[in-house]
Amino acid sequence: QVQLVESGGGVVQPGRSLRLSCAASGFTFSNYGMHWVRQAPGKGLEWLAFISYDTINKYYTDSVKGRFTISRDNSKSTLFMQMSRLRAEDTAVYYCAKETQTGGLDMWGQGTMVIVSS
Amino acid sequence: SYVLTQPPSVSVAPGQTARFTCGGDNIGSKSVHWYRQKPGQAPVLVVYDDDDRPSGVPERFSGSNSGNTATLTISRVEAGDEADYYCQVWDISSDVVFGGGTKLTVL
Repeated sequence: QVQLVESGGGVVQPGRSLRLSCAASGFTFSNYGMHWVRQAPGKGLEWLAFISYDTINKYYTDSVKGRFTISRDNSKSTLFMQMSRLRAEDTAVYYCAKETQTGGLDMWGQGTMVIVSS
Repeated sequence: SYVLTQPPSVSVAPGQTARFTCGGDNIGSKSVHWYRQKPGQAPVLVVYDDDDRPSGVPERFSGSNSGNTATLTISRVEAGDEADYYCQVWDISSDVVFGGGTKLTVL
């Protein structure tokens, strides 16, 4: 079964760190670039970061540059997002998603909730 | 940065046709992807590369893209189509860009 499963969300205080994971199965993870996308409560989708299949290319949206780091372990078919210096506005559901060849996202995980609050 | 503009809401009666627009500067030169998101669920790709459907998506879903507007069309709308619909492109200056989303209400 082809799927992505996120984990690692929770409640964290402002300024602290959190690491999200996304376990892939059912496809050759090492062949595909991967994305993180988030959705704040009641808001739209916000793209956060992309990592190429070979980890050479990494791109971030401005709001998380310098605070979030995307990485992957192809041997374990797992994608990560290390989040530091968290802010209240980082509160959201975080999704991982698999790329298509033309820039789309054709498979999404179920999401993991991150709440940044004191 | 590249911006995609979607109307906040669309309302149609069951059996009618729903059209969702996505405006962007010369969007016709880009590949547009559309997602459906039901409450409490992850987004699902329903149209990719302007007008292709992933396997399992009904033929009622179609897309077009030209000039400054891309359009997702749902024919014979059903109550189960109620959801938020997002357009998305990849732009060289902005990477992945999503529109603000359009909420479909089936009357």
